[in-house]
Amino acid sequence: QSALTQPASVSGSPGQSITISCTGTSSDVGGYKYVSWYQQHPGKAPKLIIYDVDNRPSRVSNRFSGSKSGNTASLTISGLQAEDEADYYCSLYTITSTLSVVFGGGTKVTVL
Amino acid sequence: DVQLVESGGGLVQPGGSLRLSCAASGFIFSNYWMSWVRQAPGKGLEWVANLKPDGSEIFYVDSVKGRFTISRDNAENSLYLQMNSLRAEDTAVYYCAKENRYYYAMDAWGQGTTVTVSS
Repeated sequence: QSALTQPASVSGSPGQSITISCTGTSSDVGGYKYVSWYQQHPGKAPKLIIYDVDNRPSRVSNRFSGSKSGNTASLTISGLQAEDEADYYCSLYTITSTLSVVFGGGTKVTVL
Repeated sequence: DVQLVESGGGLVQPGGSLRLSCAASGFIFSNYWMSWVRQAPGKGLEWVANLKPDGSEIFYVDSVKGRFTISRDNAENSLYLQMNSLRAEDTAVYYCAKENRYYYAMDAWGQGTTVTVSS
């Protein structure tokens, strides 16, 4: 159950687009579509913003989008806003003979 | 609105035990998988365990197997985590999370309860 690899930090100016990567292997990210992304503001609980690679819950801004290529999933935030400054975590469910959930190490997004 | 309220955290000595509770409301608790996720101070999220709506399937992260037990009481709309043989590395905020019925993700989270393992 190895953690997924994310960059420690990403920054951008208001209005810009940024992309956060989440890298695994062919046995996890590359083999499953169950990638989700969570946003966490300091001192708050995580909030689901993307599920199944590229689907957005209804209450989530369409400035957030997800994708996957090979063993790497990505979260893009377009039109960056001050309120987007937070930690972001990717997550993956893997289902074989057992079920496990693994998170990435998290990425701190800073709005310059 | 979905509400998840954790309780039961506190300070415990290494080797001690603690039982966390999560009170659920705003949804039909007995229909959903539920998870515990923890976050050590200044660190990332770590999934701990989850269980099926009827409790018949349970899964744990390797680091807590044999020490932690997840359970639920659907009549009381409550989720539990019994933690035994606690270690310093179990120190974390523990979140209760509801899993979505149609896709694999946690779509609602509690505010967390803090567990500190220290002598």
